[in-house]
Amino acid sequence: GAGVSQSPSNKVTEKGKDVELRCDPISGHTALYWYRQSLGQGLEFLIYFQGNSAPDKSGLPSDRFSAERTGGSVSTLTIQRTQQEDSAVYLCASSATGVLMNTEAFFGQGTRLTVV
Amino acid sequence: KNEVEQSPQNLTAQEGEFITINCSYSVGISALHWLQQHPGGGIVSLFMLSSGKKKHGRLIATINIQEKHSSLHITASHPRDSAVYICAVCGGSNYKLTFGKGTLLTVNP
Repeated sequence: GAGVSQSPSNKVTEKGKDVELRCDPISGHTALYWYRQSLGQGLEFLIYFQGNSAPDKSGLPSDRFSAERTGGSVSTLTIQRTQQEDSAVYLCASSATGVLMNTEAFFGQGTRLTVV
Repeated sequence: KNEVEQSPQNLTAQEGEFITINCSYSVGISALHWLQQHPGGGIVSLFMLSSGKKKHGRLIATINIQEKHSSLHITASHPRDSAVYICAVCGGSNYKLTFGKGTLLTVNP
């Protein structure tokens, strides 16, 4: 596609339910990133994919969070047993390579998750 | 102390004014990114720089590696420039960005 696409754009879920957030990166981009933006906070790194592998998942806040990427393309971020503190905007980005010292990152519109 | 500090946190200007947003960082970096986030969440990359100065239209970004400081300038500001401007640095890991909390700019007509 022309840009990074995320779905859904908004998600309201009940505490304790599982949610899946989807990211379609720009075609051909090998690197994919998930970030979280909480109210009043800066973007927080969650996980980095290079192809289908995740060499750095150090930002995932707990074992309730997991992510996968298939076919070197689409990625899904799954949050199990959601808690109210999971409410945030989840942003996905992709880049042609994983070297952000000389490569621009392209961001999706984000998924606003609200846990009630 | 955050690794990336932006100032000011909020900035209100009148249309036509010259705007400066500052970013200071405390770690060694290989590059610095300036991003723009409009209401609704979408983030757009404005600049990526590792030295000197870059210009795109009315936007200018500068970086001083020795002083660990970067500035984003907007000349002849316009209400459509109203957005959150975010500084992000690429440090020890080539793929990982560390973000400032952003500067909310409001330009009034």
